[in-house]
Amino acid sequence: SQTIHQWPATLVQPVGSPLSLECTVEGTSNPNLYWYRQAAGRGLQLLFYSVGIGQISSEVPQNLSASRPQDRQFILSSKKLLLSDSGFYLCAWSRGAHQPQHFGDGTRLSIL
Amino acid sequence: KNEVEQSPQNLTAQEGEFITINCSYSVGISALHWLQQHPGGGIVSLFMLSSGKKKHGRLIATINIQEKHSSLHITASHPRDSAVYICAATRNTGNQFYFGTGTSLTVIP
Repeated sequence: SQTIHQWPATLVQPVGSPLSLECTVEGTSNPNLYWYRQAAGRGLQLLFYSVGIGQISSEVPQNLSASRPQDRQFILSSKKLLLSDSGFYLCAWSRGAHQPQHFGDGTRLSIL
Repeated sequence: KNEVEQSPQNLTAQEGEFITINCSYSVGISALHWLQQHPGGGIVSLFMLSSGKKKHGRLIATINIQEKHSSLHITASHPRDSAVYICAATRNTGNQFYFGTGTSLTVIP
């Protein structure tokens, strides 16, 4: 069966520090991968998605970037975090477009 | 105005009640998704539908393409159904999701 791992579960970082959140999927090949953010009191927002290694689509211009160095690995990064980057970050995978998505447990990021 | 609107925002029900959560969308979509987010934050995909009706246990999802409206029904509600229910629409590419802000459901024993 397929599983998705996301870490860390919680993270507290100072403003201006770098960020790296990692997501890996097991049990499937060539998944579509997604990064979402849920700010406090707000809905989910798609940040990036990837349909293959090295292929990243950005939905919202921002302080963050994403990379897919391996088929089942998706990384969310920032060189310098802003206060507005605080939120709940979720990784998800699907078998392809127009398919149900399967979510990781999320990372709660607090910026101080 | 959001592309996807949900109502109500908050809902409290007695155990056993029949529950309906509504979702309206203003964009052309390829599919409509219902998600469940538990208090810890984890999200589970409940349904993906592009027409008609789907049923899974006590959950029923319907969609009316002409009216651009979907509903999620929970029959015989139970306290373990307490969660945030999120409606999301995917557009042509199937990768662009538009999310509603969610409906927070609390079922009281």
